[in-house]
Amino acid sequence: GQSLEQPSEVTAVEGAIVQINCTYQTSGFYGLSWYQQHDGGAPTFLSYNALDGLEETGRFSSFLSRSDSYGYLLLQELQMKDSASYFCAVKYRDDKIIFGKGTRLHILP
Amino acid sequence: NAGVTQTPKFQVLKTGQSMTLQCAQDMNHNSMYWYRQDPGMGLRLIYYSASEGTTDKGEVPNGYNVSRLNKREFSLRLESAAPSQTSVYFCASTRPWTGETKNIQYFGAGTRLSVL
Repeated sequence: GQSLEQPSEVTAVEGAIVQINCTYQTSGFYGLSWYQQHDGGAPTFLSYNALDGLEETGRFSSFLSRSDSYGYLLLQELQMKDSASYFCAVKYRDDKIIFGKGTRLHILP
Repeated sequence: NAGVTQTPKFQVLKTGQSMTLQCAQDMNHNSMYWYRQDPGMGLRLIYYSASEGTTDKGEVPNGYNVSRLNKREFSLRLESAAPSQTSVYFCASTRPWTGETKNIQYFGAGTRLSVL
């Protein structure tokens, strides 16, 4: 089957670095994406890995290792506005896009 | 730019009633999607359409039907609403994927549906 596993919650301190992991039991997908969703809002795109390795976009970085069936989102210099839910997602050849259940990030001052 | 527009934003139905959720995008995207979001369940794919004239089932299609009316519009219909369909529904679209472009999904603001 297709499944993406993420921790349900993560807590970190303002200014620190946090890593949100995504492990998957699926194959044949084109890439791994990450989305952010604030309470009451719609998901918005953060990062995408088509190939293994690290992608950096400002304070956010994402990593993919297909051999380990594993990816992560790294958030640096945490700000209170980063308190949100974060979702990993995979896209398949037929354009199907499946999401993980999401990780709620709590940031302490 | 409007992006992805969903209507209505809120809806309350009684069990057994029917309704159609509307979605339109003005970005000339080929692929469109319907998801439902419930607490602790993330975004679950209901149906998707990879191009005009095609639709495919996602993870939770039971109780729903879809229509890809044209390239811009993708509607979701509940024929006989049930309390289990109380949820937030999101429509999304993606541009044609060339292998070198980032796979970005653009989401509508959502429809909050309650079935009593």
